[in-house]
Amino acid sequence: AQSVAQPEDQVNVAEGNPLTVKCTYSVSGNPYLFWYVQYPNRGLQFLLKYITGDNLVKGSYGFEAEFNKSQTSFHLKKPSALVSDSALYFCAVRDLNAGNNRKLIWGLGTSLAVNP
Amino acid sequence: AAGVIQSPRHLIKEKRETATLKCYPIPRHDTVYWYQQGPGQDPQFLISFYEKMQSDKGSIPDRFSAQQFSDYHSELNMSSLELGDSALYFCASSLGGRSFYEQYFGPGTRLTVT
Repeated sequence: AQSVAQPEDQVNVAEGNPLTVKCTYSVSGNPYLFWYVQYPNRGLQFLLKYITGDNLVKGSYGFEAEFNKSQTSFHLKKPSALVSDSALYFCAVRDLNAGNNRKLIWGLGTSLAVNP
Repeated sequence: AAGVIQSPRHLIKEKRETATLKCYPIPRHDTVYWYQQGPGQDPQFLISFYEKMQSDKGSIPDRFSAQQFSDYHSELNMSSLELGDSALYFCASSLGGRSFYEQYFGPGTRLTVT
C-alpha cells in the first residue's frame, strides 16, 4: 500500500542553524514526491517536487530536498533557518504507476518551530 | 498571478442543515481537488475532477456530493451536516492530465457546524 511517513511531529531549530524535516515513502512504482508548507490559518503552498533527474531538488524560500531511492526518503532541508519558516510541513507522494490516479498520499505533517 | 478562489471563506451552519462550498480554479487548470482538514491534522482527500469528470474518490461521505462545471469551477454540496463536519475545506487545482504536476491550494473555507 502507498504511504508517506513523517516520523517527527515537531522539529525545533535555532535561527541560523540548518534544518531537516524527514519524510519516507512507500509506493509500488516510481514516486512523484512533493513538499508543501502551511502557515497558520492558510492554505497549503507548494514548495518543491521530485519527478526525475537530479536527486537534489531546489524549491521556494531556499528549501531543497534530497531524493534517496535506496532509503525511500525525501527529506526537506534548508541551510539556515529563519523564524518565518515556522509552519506546518507536509510531504506527499503519488505513485507513477497508478495510471490516471492523481490522488496525493499525504504525510501527517511536521510542525517546524524556529527559535530566535 | 491568479490563485484558487474559494467561497465563502467562513460558514456557520447548524446540524442537519446543508452547505455548498465553491471553488474557482486557476485559469486554464482543468483538475480540481477537494480536501478536508481537521484541527492539527493532515489534509484528507475527498474527491477530484478532471475535465468535468470525477477522476478520484477518497473519504467523501455519502452525504456529500461534488461536481465540476463547464467553466471548471467546482462545488461541494454537503447535506445533513454533523458536528464532526466542522473543518477547513480546501480546494486545489492543477493543470493537465499528467500526475506529476503540483496542486495549487485555495485559502480554504472554514465550516463550523453548531
